[in-house]
Amino acid sequence: NAGVTQTPKFQVLKTGQSMTLQCAQDMNHEYMSWYRQDPGMGLRLIHYSVGAGITDQGEVPNGYNVSRSTTEDFPLRLLSAAPSQTSVYFCASSYNGHGNQPQHFGDGTRLSIL
Amino acid sequence: KNEVEQSPQNLTAQEGEFITINCSYSVGISALHWLQQHPGGGIVSLFMLSSGKKKHGRLIATINIQEKHSSLHITASHPRDSAVYICAVNSNSNTGNQFYFGTGTSLTVIP
Repeated sequence: NAGVTQTPKFQVLKTGQSMTLQCAQDMNHEYMSWYRQDPGMGLRLIHYSVGAGITDQGEVPNGYNVSRSTTEDFPLRLLSAAPSQTSVYFCASSYNGHGNQPQHFGDGTRLSIL
Repeated sequence: KNEVEQSPQNLTAQEGEFITINCSYSVGISALHWLQQHPGGGIVSLFMLSSGKKKHGRLIATINIQEKHSSLHITASHPRDSAVYICAVNSNSNTGNQFYFGTGTSLTVIP
């Protein structure tokens, strides 16, 4: 059972470039989410999805797009990378989004924007 | 404004000591989670609780809903417990269902 798989683990981009962070889970979880983790701050929600075809914005959605065409996959797209998006990104999933189920996290993607 | 506050931010303990990490929150919640993040970054869920107390090995988590406060205790601490411990709450406020995270408590256990 792989759990939540994120790729890549590390990435360096130049300002203005676009890229997609991949996230896949094999637990048939309805709820998937993307967070960013910055020094001195708690994890902040970027976007989330409560099921295939349904996505919504979190606390810090600007500059990011998501889609959920299948239950398993929830990619995060940076449209035009900016230095402020340098961060560690975590994808997470849970059985539902009610908060009464444990969250399973990927190993994170360390992203640097030059 | 931080919906979730943790204390202390940093904690150093001798092996074998009893450790307490505190978490206070300001929103209505459906559940509170304790997470562990090891050097290298992976995050694992330790506990999820909405009332009372849970125990798993040397770890104990308690929550007081009326006081909006939770504690994570580690008994007989060991160097392998060194990690960042994160408190998170699932809020059931008017703005919807969302997780809020504390900034974490960095624990170092010295042999």
